[in-house]
Amino acid sequence: RKEVEQDPGPFNVPEGATVAFNCTYSNSASQSFFWYRQDCRKEPKLLMSVYSSGNEDGRFTAQLNRASQYISLLIRDSKLSDSATYLCVVNPGGYNKLIFGAGTRLAVHP
Amino acid sequence: EAEVAQSPRYKITEKSQAVAFWCDPISGHATLYWYRQILGQGPELLVQFQDESVVDDSQLPKDRFSAERLKGVDSTLKIQPAELGDSAMYLCASTGRGLAGLSNEQFFGPGTRLTVL
Repeated sequence: RKEVEQDPGPFNVPEGATVAFNCTYSNSASQSFFWYRQDCRKEPKLLMSVYSSGNEDGRFTAQLNRASQYISLLIRDSKLSDSATYLCVVNPGGYNKLIFGAGTRLAVHP
Repeated sequence: EAEVAQSPRYKITEKSQAVAFWCDPISGHATLYWYRQILGQGPELLVQFQDESVVDDSQLPKDRFSAERLKGVDSTLKIQPAELGDSAMYLCASTGRGLAGLSNEQFFGPGTRLTVL
């Protein structure tokens, strides 16, 4: 079983749609959680951290369920510019070590 | 804005040849990472440095891969000999000092895209 699992997609949605991505992790001792965004043929960039209480940044909302070892990302009012791969990322407990999921691809169309 | 620098951006080589990639992290960042990303997959950690010391190289294929960060600043990743399966994007990332046990944001360089023929 992979340490971090995501649905690879692609998710094809129209502009303005709401879309949700899920991710599960296997190590119950994991301490920190993130979503990174990666544009085609570019490097990953931090989108947002994920806190136990949930957090929101504009149109993006991240949730963490430690009991189910499950992380989610909700994007509201999708824009064309949201088209990218979204990587679920977990710190399994090592200092500054990150484990990346394979990513979920999102394509927003007009 | 400070960036992680990598070179070359693209490298085409024949199998059995040696290749080397260079990374210069953001100034002052103590932790440096080398990742390999195969198309359609997420980045996979190859080696992690804390200053000049290796703290994790458990996924580095040590029979052909080597990495060094002699002065704790820039770093070189080498593959010798290259194999067809090494074709991938090689990403370097760095992060600053932070609280132990927590993850600070990792800043990635643009990567080196390696093609082995």
